[in-house]
Amino acid sequence: AQSVTQPDIHITVSEGASLELRCNYSYGATPYLFWYVQSPGQGLQLLLKYFSGDTLVQGIKGFEAEFKRSQSSFNLRKPSVHWSDAAEYFCAVGAFTGTASKLTFGTGTRLQVTL
Amino acid sequence: DTAVSQTPKYLVTQMGNDKSIKCEQNLGHDTMYWYKQDSKKFLKIMFSYNNKELIINETVPNRFSPKSPDKAHLNLHINSLELGDSAVYFCASSQERLGRADTQYFGPGTRLTVL
Repeated sequence: AQSVTQPDIHITVSEGASLELRCNYSYGATPYLFWYVQSPGQGLQLLLKYFSGDTLVQGIKGFEAEFKRSQSSFNLRKPSVHWSDAAEYFCAVGAFTGTASKLTFGTGTRLQVTL
Repeated sequence: DTAVSQTPKYLVTQMGNDKSIKCEQNLGHDTMYWYKQDSKKFLKIMFSYNNKELIINETVPNRFSPKSPDKAHLNLHINSLELGDSAVYFCASSQERLGRADTQYFGPGTRLTVL
């Protein structure tokens, strides 16, 4: 069964600083990986996804993530954080069961941005 | 245009009551899902429907009964509500492609509070 670990429950960064959120996954086949963001009281918005090909994927809002198969990681990065980036970030691995797919989420990382 | 919509946004009810949450997607997708997000923000899949057929049922109590009248709608009915059912319920949809877990688009969520 697949699983996702987000080691950092809570991260605080200063506005303008760089950001890296960690994600490690466990999945026996080719992983389909996603990062979603959830602002307070809102639904989940897709930031970026990895299916295959280039291991560095670009997303919305200036985010990028790098897939490293050898480390089973898919870390999310942003060179300069804005106050509006404060939110909960979820990493997920998608598994196709043959008839449907399901996402298994990590426990999330709460990002706080100080001015 | 709202891609995935849910009603109601908030639902407060007494233990033992029966309630329903509705979900609609206008993305033309053929697969819809229900997820539960608990008080610690952990997201877990409950059900998946593909073309109105139940595909995934993740050991959810049978008090929860999803119903899909057509591809664009997936409703969740909950009987005999319990305190532990208090959570945020998210609907999502995707277009399944053979052999691949595709991007799921989430609704804004329904916050259910059982008193």
